[in-house]
Amino acid sequence: DQQVKQNSPSLSVQEGRISILNCDYTNSMFDYFLWYKKYPAEGPTFLISISSIKDKNEDGRFTVFLNKSAKHLSLHIVPSQPGDSAVYFCAASARNNNDMRFGAGTRLTVKP
Amino acid sequence: NAGVMQNPRHLVRRRGQEARLRCSPMKGHSHVYWYRQLPEEGLKFMVYLQKENIIDESGMPKERFSAEFPKEGPSILRIQQVVRGDSAAYFCASSQIQGSYGYTFGSGTRLTVV
Repeated sequence: DQQVKQNSPSLSVQEGRISILNCDYTNSMFDYFLWYKKYPAEGPTFLISISSIKDKNEDGRFTVFLNKSAKHLSLHIVPSQPGDSAVYFCAASARNNNDMRFGAGTRLTVKP
Repeated sequence: NAGVMQNPRHLVRRRGQEARLRCSPMKGHSHVYWYRQLPEEGLKFMVYLQKENIIDESGMPKERFSAEFPKEGPSILRIQQVVRGDSAAYFCASSQIQGSYGYTFGSGTRLTVV
């Protein structure tokens, strides 16, 4: 069961522009959402998170938006840099749950 | 302070052999999670362990797969009689407290079954 979906397998943007990565979820029990970044041959690294009590969380160039009614979240990167090129995974978890559910990932390419 | 250490980084096994994947959590972390990433797919939860206990193995195939986290030493994910479909990247994560917040992932073990 695909409880977390990232429908765009890839995204290409120009350096300096905004990157918007989208994620949808189906389980209304999810109350914490995370974005992980993954380079080839490395493990995922935590990027940014948001609790369900918020609708926005910002950390430098990265902002995550949460729309609970639409069960949708997005990651905005602005300005995008070539070093941001990686696979981005959206993840969600429910309180007192033992695991996170991950999306299939979106491969972001930022062109110089 | 070393991160989550997984070894080996790459493992090649013939069909029918056994594969053992090791994971040493971060210092001070007593919760370990194993995930599998199949080609072109996301990370799929397999099992959650604390020291000497399996807490949740709902994501692990019922046959051929087992996991342990002994009092001393790393967590081990064991796959018996491997098949080609077991070829994947296996990631281990650890956390200091229970729950899905604050995971740290290892670099993974890429298993190839030939």
